[in-house]
Amino acid sequence: DTGVSQDPRHKITKRGQNVTFRCDPISEHNRLYWYRQTLGQGPEFLTYFQNEAQLEKSRLLSDRFSAERPKGSFSTLEIQRTEQGDSAMYLCASIPWSGTSTDTQYFGPGTRLTVL
Amino acid sequence: SQKIEQNSEALNIQEGKTATLTCNYTNYSPAYLQWYRQDPGRGPVFLLLIRENEKEKRKERLKVTFDTTLKQSLFHITASQPADSATYLCARSMDSSYKLIFGSGTRLLVRP
Repeated sequence: DTGVSQDPRHKITKRGQNVTFRCDPISEHNRLYWYRQTLGQGPEFLTYFQNEAQLEKSRLLSDRFSAERPKGSFSTLEIQRTEQGDSAMYLCASIPWSGTSTDTQYFGPGTRLTVL
Repeated sequence: SQKIEQNSEALNIQEGKTATLTCNYTNYSPAYLQWYRQDPGRGPVFLLLIRENEKEKRKERLKVTFDTTLKQSLFHITASQPADSATYLCARSMDSSYKLIFGSGTRLLVRP
């Protein structure tokens, strides 16, 4: 257990429905990252926050995706009008960034999304 | 584009042998590379980081090398055990965001 938690661990939904995932990073970590991982591939970067500010979004993050980190602690990732191609593992990671390079990211267990 | 490439074929070895996994990078020179372990249905777990000015780094049965001429990092597990069976991911950190760019991972299976 890295100390990063994600909820739910599994989500099954029907195409067209909206889903929301939550990530609770390690409490003193001010940077939070979202990644998506499909079967047989490595995680792909989606977006990241420093405190409550969303600093970068990947081209993978279509306009159906939105992420927030309102108080600089937990974060949510919402997918609207889900499509079958959204089926993947969604991973959250955090780091205690302090302005210099850092050695490692702490990943949560992920949320497995299945869109039927 | 700046790519991280790992052998997508699974590596199947006998317990006690040394497992060697390869990570190649193209079109850039990363300041450092990281190696993570991922078990099925779980998030990646950090194992080792090696900087470009380090030739080799060790942690218990793990060893990582970094060859900037070949643009390659090798990850070794000595005296492998069935519990080492997992997918191993190589990653580099990008710019000031420190977001990670991962390879596709190599699955290791250690037979008892």
